[in-house]
Amino acid sequence: KAGVTQTPRYLIKTRGQQVTLSCSPISGHRSVSWYQQTPGQGLQFLFEYFSETQRNKGNFPGRFSGRQFSNSRSEMNVSTLELGDSALYLCASSLEGLAGVDEQYFGPGTRLTVT
Amino acid sequence: GENVEQHPSTLSVQEGDSAVIKCTYSDSASNYFPWYKQELGKGPQLIIDIRSNVGEKKDQRIAVTLNKTAKHFSLHITETQPEDSAVYFCAASPDSLNTGNQFYFGTGTSLTVIP
Repeated sequence: KAGVTQTPRYLIKTRGQQVTLSCSPISGHRSVSWYQQTPGQGLQFLFEYFSETQRNKGNFPGRFSGRQFSNSRSEMNVSTLELGDSALYLCASSLEGLAGVDEQYFGPGTRLTVT
Repeated sequence: GENVEQHPSTLSVQEGDSAVIKCTYSDSASNYFPWYKQELGKGPQLIIDIRSNVGEKKDQRIAVTLNKTAKHFSLHITETQPEDSAVYFCAASPDSLNTGNQFYFGTGTSLTVIP
């Protein structure tokens, strides 16, 4: 079974631009979560999508947004990029989380550099 | 919200020795505790997890213990090998119906196994 895939793997953007990252979950998984990983702040939860709806949200500004499609694929968008947005963005997929939390499996991440 | 603390931040052991990493959490609603291993350039990989109805779980050389009263859990790696060298993260999550997935991560432990 294929794992979680994320595209692109690397991205360089300029301050003020916007960026869209993509995540394809493991086949059969319907929940997709996004995390930001930086050396200073560690792994921080951005949001979770299930059945095309945002189910949980972390403490990030509105510049960070996401969506999920009917095939469970998800995208996250960051608008008006700031230097501090440079990070590894990780996507994690899990089954459903309806009968309790399910195991999460991570993708390789997208390394975003903002200059 | 939940706050997960992880110690130590770095750990060096001789090959064949044991390694122990400890985490504490603050929210008594948390009852799912996974551990992840992250190698350079890769996403976190789930290595073991424990739910609050179990005090200890073992998988070959890896074991996790949980003390819900004291709100702490630990990862134990026995007979360490050079390929165990990586960054290890603990996490905590509430685990009840329809809460979905919202993991809170520790700050990571960089484990080095010296041959």
